[in-house]
Amino acid sequence: DQQVKQNSPSLSVQEGRISILNCDYTNSMFDYFLWYKKYPAEGPTFLISISSIKDKNEDGRFTVFLNKSAKHLSLHIVPSQPGDSAVYFCAASGGNTDKLIFGTGTRLQVFP
Amino acid sequence: SAVISQKPSRDICQRGTSLTIQCQVDSQVTMMFWYRQQPGQSLTLIATANQGSEATYESGFVIDKFPISRPNLTFSTLTVSNMSPEDSSIYLCSVDGGRGGYTFGSGTRLTVV
Repeated sequence: DQQVKQNSPSLSVQEGRISILNCDYTNSMFDYFLWYKKYPAEGPTFLISISSIKDKNEDGRFTVFLNKSAKHLSLHIVPSQPGDSAVYFCAASGGNTDKLIFGTGTRLQVFP
Repeated sequence: SAVISQKPSRDICQRGTSLTIQCQVDSQVTMMFWYRQQPGQSLTLIATANQGSEATYESGFVIDKFPISRPNLTFSTLTVSNMSPEDSSIYLCSVDGGRGGYTFGSGTRLTVV
């Protein structure tokens, strides 16, 4: 039972354009959502988070949108840069636990 | 945020043997987490390690297969015991990095042959 789903295994975007990575979840108890970036041979790096009391959180080029009714969140990267090429994981937690449930990841490639 | 040193970074092991993975944190942390990422899969939590108590294992993971030590607030080990090819994965440790995010080690890529 995959509670956090990233249905696009890969995404290719031209440099300077917007990258939109999507994530869906099924557990209505989730109240905190995070995005991580992972380069090969490195551990995931925390990017940005959002709690369920908000519908948008912005940090520089990265913006996360949360649609609670649709149980959907997305990460926007504007403008995309070649250094953004990595695997992006969304994760969720909720209830009385700190446990993170991860999606399967989306591989983003930003080409010149 | 905390910095984690994880080793080994990779290993190739014979089936039936065991491998111990170490994580050293540059600050004291209450909880450390161990994850596994099988090929093409998401990161899956194996167990949560608290200093001074037994680790708490997630469904599908047992202490006999993945014994964990947590001797102090800056160090933990995960052992993958009696390995089979199905244990070939990336193993990562993690701590609460603040700002709501978690900091991960660089991972151990294990191949069992």
